[in-house]
Amino acid sequence: GEDVEQSLFLSVREGDSSVINCTYTDSSSTYLYWYKQEPGAGLQLLTYIFSNMDMKQDQRLTVLLNKKDKHLSLRIADTQTGDSAIYFCAETYNQGGKLIFGQGTELSVKP
Amino acid sequence: GAVVSQHPSRVICKSGTSVKIECRSLDFQATTMFWYRQFPKQSLMLMATSNEGSKATYEQGVEKDKFLINHASLTLSTLTVTSAHPEDSSFYICSAGQGGGAFFGQGTRLTVV
Repeated sequence: GEDVEQSLFLSVREGDSSVINCTYTDSSSTYLYWYKQEPGAGLQLLTYIFSNMDMKQDQRLTVLLNKKDKHLSLRIADTQTGDSAIYFCAETYNQGGKLIFGQGTELSVKP
Repeated sequence: GAVVSQHPSRVICKSGTSVKIECRSLDFQATTMFWYRQFPKQSLMLMATSNEGSKATYEQGVEKDKFLINHASLTLSTLTVTSAHPEDSSFYICSAGQGGGAFFGQGTRLTVV
């Protein structure tokens, strides 16, 4: 079945870059998403990438997709303390449809 | 991005009562919405797909008589937790798709005492 894997924790210093990694198994995935969840809150869509793209950049965020290895990464440049949260990657074969989520990576940014 | 609003954000109810959670797409129409459940420190698990004008599709292991879903309009889906028990306490969150993105509500923290 479909599976999405993430490392559980990442700790960086303020100002450094953060790279959160994700692997997935479903080769029919067409959309891959990154969400941010702060404590007690819902999910905020950060960015998404279509499977025929290799890279997408949006301000401090860069998404890299290696479809051959089924590997997705999210790079946050100049990480701030406000970036501390749990980051989920998710995939779907149907745009805007039901998502399969990874376990979430807890990002801790130290001043 | 598109806005999905969920209400209430937090609810405490007594065991045996029913609780209704609303999910609205505020600036777009959604023929399909999705309901997820999230346990503390865990990921989101899809519970069901809510289809406007027809029956919801439930994931394996989710009791459809326990979690009633109604999608009566293109902007509103409701999840009713019937005869709630403490083990139903969780974070429930809905989503709807628009323009390739999947947008989530703020979530509802349900506590059954």
